[in-house]
Amino acid sequence: SSELTQDPAVSVALGQTVRITCQGDSLRNYFATWFQQKPGQAPVLVIYAKNNRPSGIPDRFSGSNSGNTHSLTITGAQAEDEADYYCYSRGISGNRWVFGGGTKVTVL
Amino acid sequence: QAQLVQSGAEVKEPGASVKLSCKASGFIFSGYYMHWVRQAPRQGLEWMGIINPSGSWTSYAQKFQGRATVTRDTSTSTVYMELNSLRYEDTAVYYCVRDQSIGDYAWWLDPWGQGTLVTVSS
Repeated sequence: SSELTQDPAVSVALGQTVRITCQGDSLRNYFATWFQQKPGQAPVLVIYAKNNRPSGIPDRFSGSNSGNTHSLTITGAQAEDEADYYCYSRGISGNRWVFGGGTKVTVL
Repeated sequence: QAQLVQSGAEVKEPGASVKLSCKASGFIFSGYYMHWVRQAPRQGLEWMGIINPSGSWTSYAQKFQGRATVTRDTSTSTVYMELNSLRYEDTAVYYCVRDQSIGDYAWWLDPWGQGTLVTVSS
């Protein structure tokens, strides 16, 4: 099992808000990074350093954190947001990094 | 812009080794840590290892310790990942990725290479 825990799947109605969480002991000290991955494509960075978006990522994506739980929120989900989302951070045991197991987001 | 271009698909027999390459362009290669990440079919992302800018230090996920070796050649802006004693379960897409960070509290990976499919089959 991963050091970072994500729910396997969530669904959201078109235009509504969905929160994806990532839980882990290392997240008390480090920020989570979030990636979006669509079938057959390489992952794409969507949120880094708590709540920073790379150029080209819509502002409906935002990040937040509380204790050992970090979250990615999609406010006003669009059909094109349907994808797998992975969190990533440094591991608790030093110079290793880890991914969460991924969350499949379905837009209804 | 920053870009990573990986070598082509490989088919290997169990027990063999594979060495993948990843050529960087559009940024100062010697200034960045580089990672390798893999993804087995219908599975999640799995961090494999990291190499520092000079190539003098590496770190690997526990499951790859002793079986994976990451190296780099600054003269050609290329990073390599060699995986030995291949098993069927090593069948996956392997990605090279550039590391970025802020202080000692936030790391992210961008850009990603296009991925290299390694198939282990007899």
